[in-house]
Amino acid sequence: EIVLTQSPDTLSLSPGERVTLSCRASQAVVSTSLAWYQHKPGQAPRLLIYGASTRATGIPGRFSGSGSGTDFTLTISRLEPEDFAVYYCHQYGSSPWTFGQGTKVEIK
Amino acid sequence: EVQLVESGGGLVQPGGSLRLSCTASGFTFSSYWMTWVRLAPGKGMERVANMNQDGSEKNYVDSVKGRFTISRDNAKNSLYLQMNSLRVEDTAVYHCARVAYQGALDIWGQGTMVTVSS
Repeated sequence: EIVLTQSPDTLSLSPGERVTLSCRASQAVVSTSLAWYQHKPGQAPRLLIYGASTRATGIPGRFSGSGSGTDFTLTISRLEPEDFAVYYCHQYGSSPWTFGQGTKVEIK
Repeated sequence: EVQLVESGGGLVQPGGSLRLSCTASGFTFSSYWMTWVRLAPGKGMERVANMNQDGSEKNYVDSVKGRFTISRDNAKNSLYLQMNSLRVEDTAVYHCARVAYQGALDIWGQGTMVTVSS
């Protein structure tokens, strides 16, 4: 099983700041089969990025993903008020699919 | 509007059973793999089970094998999760999700809360 470790656990930031979230895999993720999701309490999670770097439909350009192998990054170029949430990475290239533990981006 | 709506959660004692339902709308349900993912308090997300379009292929996380059963009714645009022999550690919000892009989950429901406690 591929273990995904996200860092940091929590980020305290202000609107307008740049955010970089990390997701490290215990072994190489097959075919860059990695996704990022945004989750707010009581809401449905939202797919942001799939294939490590492809933005999902309707996702603003301030969100970008990069990486391959065991190291992946989600970047938010300029934080908007609606971006404060928990972010999860997810690998779907190997069975069983696994998720990271999440990074909470909170208002400073 | 493309949408998934879960129902069926609640409070149940250890050893009890629950059946979760997920109703899809706004897309051709029968064309997609579907999955159940849970989020437990203080823990990360975990894929519980998934199923292919016609129900002939199913996968489960080891911790629920033999206790949970995933099923679907394409005529009713519905996905189900029968949960038996529930344990305290099964307490979580259960989300159904559509599988797209070779495995990324592009549509999610808001989830239904399952609490296992005596």
